[in-house]
Amino acid sequence: NAGVTQTPKFQVLKTGQSMTLQCAQDMNHNSMYWYRQDPGMGLRLIYYSASEGTTDKGEVPNGYNVSRLNKREFSLRLESAAPSQTSVYFCASRDSRAKNIQYFGAGTRLSVL
Amino acid sequence: EDQVTQSPEALRLQEGESSSLNCSYTVSGLRGLFWYRQDPGKGPEFLFTLYSAGEEKEKERLKATLTKKESFLHITAPKPEDSATYLCAVETSYDKVIFGPGTSLSVIP
Repeated sequence: NAGVTQTPKFQVLKTGQSMTLQCAQDMNHNSMYWYRQDPGMGLRLIYYSASEGTTDKGEVPNGYNVSRLNKREFSLRLESAAPSQTSVYFCASRDSRAKNIQYFGAGTRLSVL
Repeated sequence: EDQVTQSPEALRLQEGESSSLNCSYTVSGLRGLFWYRQDPGKGPEFLFTLYSAGEEKEKERLKATLTKKESFLHITAPKPEDSATYLCAVETSYDKVIFGPGTSLSVIP
């Protein structure tokens, strides 16, 4: 059971480049999330999806777009990367049937130069 | 605005020295409060869920409690393997979960 898989694990971009962070879960969860984690600021919610076909903004959505491609996959896109988007990005899925636990991927470490 | 704060930012304990971590929240409606543990270079791992004031949950050396405005994570007789960052999170509306900044715990042998 792979759980939540994020790709890539590391990425370096130049300012203005675009990229998509991929996330897939194999636990048949309805809800999925994207967070960014910066030193001293904890995890900040970028976007979330309560179910296939729906997405909602979190605390820090500016500069990002998301796509809930199907129940398994939730991608995060940076259209024009900026140095302020240098961070560690975590994807999570949530099991609303069992204590509402969020399961996290291993993270994507992104540097924007 | 929904907000979650945690204190202290960092805590250094001797092995066996018990202490508590605090999570304070200001939210429009609490649907649940969660504690996670995060080891360096990894994603957070679930510890506890609390839903109502007065509720308590225990797991090994950890005990989580909840009041109307805050939660505590009590660590009894900690060991070096308890060293990690402990994160508190709240569900503020349906499926929206926000996290506090975390407490970095170091347990010295």
